[in-house]
Amino acid sequence: SAVISQKPSRDICQRGTSLTIQCQVDSQVTMMFWYRQQPGQSLTLIATANQGSEATYESGFVIDKFPISRPNLTFSTLTVSNMSPEDSSIYLCSVVQGLGYTFGSGTRLTVV
Amino acid sequence: AQKITQTQPGMFVQEKEAVTLDCTYDTSDPSYGLFWYKQPSSGEMIFLIYQGSYDQQNATEGRYSLNFQKARKSANLVISASQLGDSAMYFCAMRETDNYGQNFVFGPGTRLSVLP
Repeated sequence: SAVISQKPSRDICQRGTSLTIQCQVDSQVTMMFWYRQQPGQSLTLIATANQGSEATYESGFVIDKFPISRPNLTFSTLTVSNMSPEDSSIYLCSVVQGLGYTFGSGTRLTVV
Repeated sequence: AQKITQTQPGMFVQEKEAVTLDCTYDTSDPSYGLFWYKQPSSGEMIFLIYQGSYDQQNATEGRYSLNFQKARKSANLVISASQLGDSAMYFCAMRETDNYGQNFVFGPGTRLSVLP
């Protein structure tokens, strides 16, 4: 199965700053997905990142706040911009693996 | 309407006992897949088990089994011989295709605590 390296694993950031999260996959994948998991909540899809085209954002998420890069078939980044305490969450990247989805290890973000 | 319902926000089980975590789903796609993931406190999502909508047999993976009742649209996870390391959040998820494409949706989760 695909192995996804996600970093950083955790960070504490000042409000108003930005954080870029990276995901590296050990095989080429067409689509990568970015999820947010707010404290005590389930996972919510932020966007789908396709190589060579703009990411597709879900309702409630915008590119200015969560810009995504997908420079090749094994790598993607998600930036959380102009952070506020409400952005404190776990952020996970994911790829389709066979019939299901494989996840990175997650980034636990705390905004103070 | 909720696509995935997990009615148990929290569950307790004694070590070495079996526990069932409930999951019901809603879809009009005849070809769908059901998944269970475990999320320990570290935050990673660990795939446990998969059941396809056309699978005749209930899925099993070691101590995990999926009690699939298609007519009831339920896909309960059974963990046998619980271990302390099973304490975690458990999410039921579904892959389906609708008019807008493929979806992968998660339930709200159940927090399982295994007691020594």
